[in-house]
Amino acid sequence: DAGVTQSPTHLIKTRGQQVTLRCSPKSGHDTVSWYQQALGQGPQFIFQYYEEEERQRGNFPDRFSGHQFPNYSSELNVNALLLGDSALYLCASSLEGDRGFYEQYFGPGTRLTVT
Amino acid sequence: KNQVEQSPQSLIILEGKNCTLQCNYTVSPFSNLRWYKQDTGRGPVSLTIMTFSENTKSNGRYTATLDADTKQSSLHITASQLSDSASYICVIGSQGNLIFGKGTKLSVKP
Repeated sequence: DAGVTQSPTHLIKTRGQQVTLRCSPKSGHDTVSWYQQALGQGPQFIFQYYEEEERQRGNFPDRFSGHQFPNYSSELNVNALLLGDSALYLCASSLEGDRGFYEQYFGPGTRLTVT
Repeated sequence: KNQVEQSPQSLIILEGKNCTLQCNYTVSPFSNLRWYKQDTGRGPVSLTIMTFSENTKSNGRYTATLDADTKQSSLHITASQLSDSASYICVIGSQGNLIFGKGTKLSVKP
């Protein structure tokens, strides 16, 4: 039973470029959440997807967008990259009915470096 | 404002010693509290999850306590091992959201 997987592992981009990060949820999970974790900080909630719709959103600009596919996998897109977007991007999966996130699992993350 | 404060920010202990990490929160309403272990550059892994009615929960050498009245929690690590070196993050579940602390970075030295 595969856990949450993310790709790529590491990524280096230049300011102004666009990036797409990918996430496959744990088998049986239908909800995907994305987090940004700057160095030395706790994860910050970006948004959550369920039934291919963005259901909740944190305090992030419109440059951050996402998508969820019918197989529940998800993408995070960031446009017009800034140096401050450099961070570890974490994907977490859960079941829609699990409002307490009792069974939320995190992926290994994608390390994005913007130069 | 919903906040989760952790202390200390960092901690260095010798292998085999015990330690206790603290978490204070002002989050409301409260659904659950969990402690995560995060190795450098990796995703967080859940250690324990506690609801309002639970005071103590153990997972091997990790024991978490919760005082919902004072809104404080602690994570006690017994007989530390080198592999315990990681960041430990306190997280509050509230109304379908998770609110993260900044974590305590633990270094276990031989």
